[in-house]
Amino acid sequence: RKEVEQDPGPFNVPEGATVAFNCTYSNSASQSFFWYRQDCRKEPKLLMSVYSSGNEDGRFTAQLNRASQYISLLIRDSKLSDSATYLCVVNLYGGSQGNLIFGKGTKLSVKP
Amino acid sequence: EADIYQTPRYLVIGTGKKITLECSQTMGHDKMYWYQQDPGMELHLIHYSYGVNSTEKGDLSSESTVSRIRTEHFPLTLESARPSHTSQYLCASSGALGTQYFGPGTRLLVL
Repeated sequence: RKEVEQDPGPFNVPEGATVAFNCTYSNSASQSFFWYRQDCRKEPKLLMSVYSSGNEDGRFTAQLNRASQYISLLIRDSKLSDSATYLCVVNLYGGSQGNLIFGKGTKLSVKP
Repeated sequence: EADIYQTPRYLVIGTGKKITLECSQTMGHDKMYWYQQDPGMELHLIHYSYGVNSTEKGDLSSESTVSRIRTEHFPLTLESARPSHTSQYLCASSGALGTQYFGPGTRLLVL
């Protein structure tokens, strides 16, 4: 089983739609979780960290379910500019310890 | 925006040449990383460093080598480039919180 698994998509949605991505991780001891966004032919950029209590940043909501070992990202009122690949990222350790483990990414395409 | 820089951004070179990809960051981060990524594919960690004089190989075997003589600088070298080395190379760094910041990448084409 891969350490971080994501549905590769693509998710093709119309503008204004709500879309949700899930990601599962294999190591129950994992401590920190992130979502990154990567545009075509660009570098990954941090979208948001994922906290145990769940967190929201504008149209984006991240949730962590430790019991089921999955992380979710919800995008509301999707925009054309949300089209990108979304990378689920896990670290076995917290803070600066260990290395980040990147999923393969889920591709989102928002259409007019 | 993160202060991490890579040069060159694009490089086309012939087989057998020695190349060095530069990466520098001005955030004072101890940890730095090199990833390799082919178009539409996942990131593969090829090297990382926890600080000056520390270098480790990543999950994907690579013929490249790295050095870390200064905190801010983490160059990657290929002694003899081959077409199989054609890829995008992404440098990243992270600080106390563990969040990684990526440079813009170097797109390498070996003919």
